[in-house]
Amino acid sequence: GDSVTQMEGPVTLSEEAFLTINCTYTATGYPSLFWYVQYPGEGLQLLLKATKADDKGSNKGFEATYRKETTSFHLEKGSVQVSDSAVYFCALSELTNAGKSTFGDGTTLTVKP
Amino acid sequence: DTGVSQDPRHKITKRGQNVTFRCDPISEHNRLYWYRQTLGQGPEFLTYFQNEAQLEKSRLLSDRFSAERPKGSFSTLEIQRTEQGDSAMYLCASSFGPNTEAFFGQGTRLTVV
Repeated sequence: GDSVTQMEGPVTLSEEAFLTINCTYTATGYPSLFWYVQYPGEGLQLLLKATKADDKGSNKGFEATYRKETTSFHLEKGSVQVSDSAVYFCALSELTNAGKSTFGDGTTLTVKP
Repeated sequence: DTGVSQDPRHKITKRGQNVTFRCDPISEHNRLYWYRQTLGQGPEFLTYFQNEAQLEKSRLLSDRFSAERPKGSFSTLEIQRTEQGDSAMYLCASSFGPNTEAFFGQGTRLTVV
């Protein structure tokens, strides 16, 4: 079946550091790829998405590129802030049922001032 | 648009009791999804509805679990004869059609003691 593997955490960075969270996937067919963020005490929020190869999703300074050849969707941000501290989930879904997703186990990011 | 609403936010119950959770999706969203999230893991798909029809159930959804969406609006998830292993966060999400991503509620945290 489909699966998502995320870089293990937790990740601790200083403010303004560069962030990369690795995500690779296994899927039959041609999935859509997502990054969700979960702030403390809150629900999952969609951060960005990409639906086809070489698409780059971006939002709030975060970016991820859909790499079909390496089955990856790594999350990056050039300069993190304390407010970016959260749990980040990589996920995939079928193109025809975008709400039914397979999630990775999440990566906890802590940004220190 | 008030987002996806879940009630209650927290529930503590004794083993063997029945519990019911409610989810109110974003209005006009015809798809509704239930997920379960245990500590340190990503959400796992349980079931989904299109309008009032339950279209898919995960093998994770044992016979003690039942979900309904009687009028195609709100949904309920009932767990009968709760077990300690049912302790988790139960997430609801909704989407407008099959090709759009889902929006998540804040979840109901269940603790079985």
